[in-house]
Amino acid sequence: QKEVEQDPGPLSVPEGAIVSLNCTYSNSAFQYFMWYRQYSRKGPELLMYTYSSGNKEDGRFTAQVDKSSKYISLFIRDSQPSDSATYLCAMTDSNDYKLSFGAGTTVTVRA
Amino acid sequence: EAGVAQSPRYKIIEKRQSVAFWCNPISGHATLYWYQQILGQGPKLLIQFQNNGVVDDSQLPKDRFSAERLKGVDSTLKIQPAKLEDSAVYLCASSPPLAVVQETQYFGPGTRLLVL
Repeated sequence: QKEVEQDPGPLSVPEGAIVSLNCTYSNSAFQYFMWYRQYSRKGPELLMYTYSSGNKEDGRFTAQVDKSSKYISLFIRDSQPSDSATYLCAMTDSNDYKLSFGAGTTVTVRA
Repeated sequence: EAGVAQSPRYKIIEKRQSVAFWCNPISGHATLYWYQQILGQGPKLLIQFQNNGVVDDSQLPKDRFSAERLKGVDSTLKIQPAKLEDSAVYLCASSPPLAVVQETQYFGPGTRLLVL
């Protein structure tokens, strides 16, 4: 079993739709949870960061963490064609900050 | 602020050949990482440097992979000899000194390696 599981998709939605992405994990020591966005032929860039359980909102993006279920989510509201990318979840514990990544979900927003 | 630079962007080699990748981190960033991202998978950490020293190389296949960071700035990652399964994108990332986790890592564009 992988430490971090993420449905690779692909996911195709019309412009304006809500995109829902999620990851599950097995290591209960994980405390810090991130979402990275990776455009084609580019390196990942940090989109959202959350510590422990709870919600965090940044513009059209909302990240949720449920540590009791070992489940994290990213929601993109009013999706735009420019949101078309691969979204990677990543997480780490408080000891060495080494990131464990999910496989990434490829999202296409159709105009 | 200039980002993480990597070269070459693409490389095609035959198996058993050697190859080297170069990374120039963001100025002032003490920590440098090399990741391997196989198609359809998330990045996997190969090695982490703190200045000149190796912090973690537990997932580096040391029989064929080597990395160095001379003078605590640029870094090179070498594969010798390459195998077909080494085909991947090799990402370099850096993070600032005394970074807390949310400062996280800044990634370069990667080098795409195809081993035939």
